[in-house]
Amino acid sequence: NAGVTQTPKFQVLKTGQSMTLQCAQDMNHNSMYWYRQDPGMGLRLIYYSASEGTTDKGEVPNGYNVSRLNKREFSLRLESAAPSQTSVYFCASSVQTGAYEQYFGPGTRLTVT
Amino acid sequence: DAKTTQPTSMDCAEGRAANLPCNHSTISGNEYVYWYRQIHSQGPQYIIHGLKNNETNEMASLIITEDRKSSTLILPHATLRDTAVYYCIVRPTTQGGSEKLVFGKGMKLTVNP
Repeated sequence: NAGVTQTPKFQVLKTGQSMTLQCAQDMNHNSMYWYRQDPGMGLRLIYYSASEGTTDKGEVPNGYNVSRLNKREFSLRLESAAPSQTSVYFCASSVQTGAYEQYFGPGTRLTVT
Repeated sequence: DAKTTQPTSMDCAEGRAANLPCNHSTISGNEYVYWYRQIHSQGPQYIIHGLKNNETNEMASLIITEDRKSSTLILPHATLRDTAVYYCIVRPTTQGGSEKLVFGKGMKLTVNP
């Protein structure tokens, strides 16, 4: 099993450009999450999806949209990137929300200039 | 969610036991104690969790005080690969509970040869 995979690994955008971060899991998990981590900080939840067909806002949703394409895939879209969105983005999944363990992907390092 | 307090950093000699403390004096009765770690540039990794009994798995042991106001993660034989930031998190694990993991800044463990 690959676990949680994320693409791309690195990305540089100019202010105002858009892009979509992709995440997929092969563990048949119901719940998926998007976090961001800024230098020297802990992770903050952007959006999560408790199950296929549902999405909910986390702590810092402004400037982002998400799509739970199917049970395996959960994408994060930046419609108009801003320098404040420079961060490392982690996708995670769990059997269900409230489950003991979340499995994390390797992260996408995004720089917005 | 209850707040946790950890030392900023700790050193440990390779092969020795690493005892990582965490204070969670405001923990509620339905909140579990979780430990995750993040090795440099990787996604966080679940280690262990517990409610009130001591727990052990293949990675570590978790000792929770009787009043549940503090806990200690024990890595019995630390290796260089255990060098990471360790996060102590408390949250309820019930359906409909808080969906986010509040990571905080964690504690940097450095295992020295």
